Amino acid sequence: SQQGEEDPQALSIQEGENATMNCSYKTSINNLQWYRQNSGRGLVHLILIRSNEREKHSGRLRVTLDTSKKSSSLLITASRAADTASYFCATGSWGANNLFFGTGTRLTVIP
Amino acid sequence: EPEVTQTPSHQVTQMGQEVILRCVPISNHLYFYWYRQILGQKVEFLVSFYNNEISEKSEIFDDQFSVERPDGSNFTLKIRSTKLEDSAMYFCASSEAPAYNSPLHFGNGTRLTVT
Repeated sequence: SQQGEEDPQALSIQEGENATMNCSYKTSINNLQWYRQNSGRGLVHLILIRSNEREKHSGRLRVTLDTSKKSSSLLITASRAADTASYFCATGSWGANNLFFGTGTRLTVIP
Repeated sequence: EPEVTQTPSHQVTQMGQEVILRCVPISNHLYFYWYRQILGQKVEFLVSFYNNEISEKSEIFDDQFSVERPDGSNFTLKIRSTKLEDSAMYFCASSEAPAYNSPLHFGNGTRLTVT
């Protein structure tokens, strides 16, 4: 399967703490993307990192990519209760018009 | 901000019936997708569509499924003879460029319940 695996499956932290989620994948990729999903809603794109990039920032989000280890991490700093959601990584391979999603991490931020 | 819209939000149907799920992608997007998610589990790729034809499809997308862009704005997913295991959230998405090079924009989904 080309789908990624997120780790941990579930994460519970206090508001203000940092949250780190990891993603491992199996195939060569052109880009890796992170998405957020609130319960019962669609997925919202957060950040895209290309295979030739190692780190990318967007607001309180920091994404790293290690293509040699086929892994990525998403760090959310200074978490808020509103960050409570499921987070998915998704990989895109060169020439393929699809994204394969991982299994997701369920993040709960306790106020 | 432009968004992808899906109708209906919830569809209940009996096993063996045909259903059509509707989507209006973002207007200047050229690439369209259907994904499904069973009860908050993994998000599974079904099919991608570009230039009025299927560009990729998964093993899930068998002969019971079809997609169509009947006019300049709608993108539909048809399931010909629904099975109990087709019960899931179905998400439509669109993008400006192919998925390997562009973020996808998702609708809020149609919850399909097959009884």
